[in-house]
Amino acid sequence: GNSVTQMEGPVTLSEEAFLTINCTYTATGYPSLFWYVQYPGEGLQLLLKATKADDKGSNKGFEATYRKETTSFHLEKGSVQVSDSAVYFCALTIAGGFKTIFGAGTRLFVKA
Amino acid sequence: DTGVSQDPRHKITKRGQNVTFRCDPISEHNRLYWYRQTLGQGPEFLTYFQNEAQLEKSRLLSDRFSAERPKGSFSTLEIQRTEQGDSAMYLCASSSLMNSGNTIYFGEGSWLTVV
Repeated sequence: GNSVTQMEGPVTLSEEAFLTINCTYTATGYPSLFWYVQYPGEGLQLLLKATKADDKGSNKGFEATYRKETTSFHLEKGSVQVSDSAVYFCALTIAGGFKTIFGAGTRLFVKA
Repeated sequence: DTGVSQDPRHKITKRGQNVTFRCDPISEHNRLYWYRQTLGQGPEFLTYFQNEAQLEKSRLLSDRFSAERPKGSFSTLEIQRTEQGDSAMYLCASSSLMNSGNTIYFGEGSWLTVV
């Protein structure tokens, strides 16, 4: 079946630290991959996406590269800010499909 | 450009009561989804509409749950005879058939607390 596995949180970093949140997936077809972010009390916002192998999605200083050989889509940011504190969800949708499958989420705390 | 809107944002109800949530998708989007999210978990798929047709329902959607999208625009999700286990955030999302990569866009969610 199709599934997404993320590293467990919470992840606690100091401001300006480097961030990596690991995400691996299992898919029966050719998925599109996504990172969504959820701030407290709010819905999910699309952060970035990649639709094919070796694509790099980027937004607001965050990046993730679609690695087919390792079935991974790790989220990185070079220098985090307090305002990046949120829950981050890795997700996939199979090409031609409609159901988006989410990981359990990774909570990030950034300290000033 | 308006996003996906949901109403109400918060609902507290007594066990056994019925509740209804409304979702207005992005206007040009013909696909609409309902997800449920509990604390510490990712969203779980409940159901999917393409235009007015409900094309898939998750086994999570018991007989007490019903969703409609009568004119292919807004959608409602009704929960009958609510139980405490129904307490969660109900998320609506929409997408366009023409959207590459199947990106879905979420609303702010409707929090349900059953007491």
